[in-house]
Amino acid sequence: GAVVSQHPSRVICKSGTSVKIECRSLDFQATTMFWYRQFPKQSLMLMATSNEGSKATYEQGVEKDKFLINHASLTLSTLTVTSAHPEDSSFYICSARDRHISTEAFFGQGTRLTVV
Amino acid sequence: GDSVTQMEGPVTLSEEAFLTINCTYTATGYPSLFWYVQYPGEGLQLLLKATKADDKGSNKGFEATYRKETTSFHLEKGSVQVSDSAVYFCALTLSGNTPLVFGKGTRLSVIA
Repeated sequence: GAVVSQHPSRVICKSGTSVKIECRSLDFQATTMFWYRQFPKQSLMLMATSNEGSKATYEQGVEKDKFLINHASLTLSTLTVTSAHPEDSSFYICSARDRHISTEAFFGQGTRLTVV
Repeated sequence: GDSVTQMEGPVTLSEEAFLTINCTYTATGYPSLFWYVQYPGEGLQLLLKATKADDKGSNKGFEATYRKETTSFHLEKGSVQVSDSAVYFCALTLSGNTPLVFGKGTRLSVIA
């Protein structure tokens, strides 16, 4: 199946700093990418939908100024957690849809963010 | 709105036992249905899918049949292995650009 690469897999940062997470579709073009957050032993919570070349659509309750999403090309979307705080510590997962296989969604490996 | 309900875990089984994880859905249209598996510390992997009624998805010994009349997509495996221990998510989507809607996940532990 198609491959989505998410980087880094783990990151530890200090409070107040910013962290960028990259999500790349390696062998297909993804017009739409999704960013999820997963709390321990819970399901995935959709944070935002990222469309190539346009602004991301954020879910209710997600701060767009804190979680900056950029989808500059058909193969890359980035999530930047700005001024991170310990409560932002979580597992972040991206997902990409293949524009030619509309029902399929592929997931990155996830990023474990720890803010100390 | 659209939603997915799956049985809550954790589910603990002995090796070679039969597995069923129930999943039902509510959708305004005709969704595609999926089962994803998440191993510890990893992202989600597509396990199987079905795009229309009566379709059966299968992979690695797992099966699920799209039942429109009961709005269900139950996951089954005849003989589980220790390596099947993971969290399983049932999900649906209605179109190519909409996000998947996930159930809460079911944690499966298989003991030798």
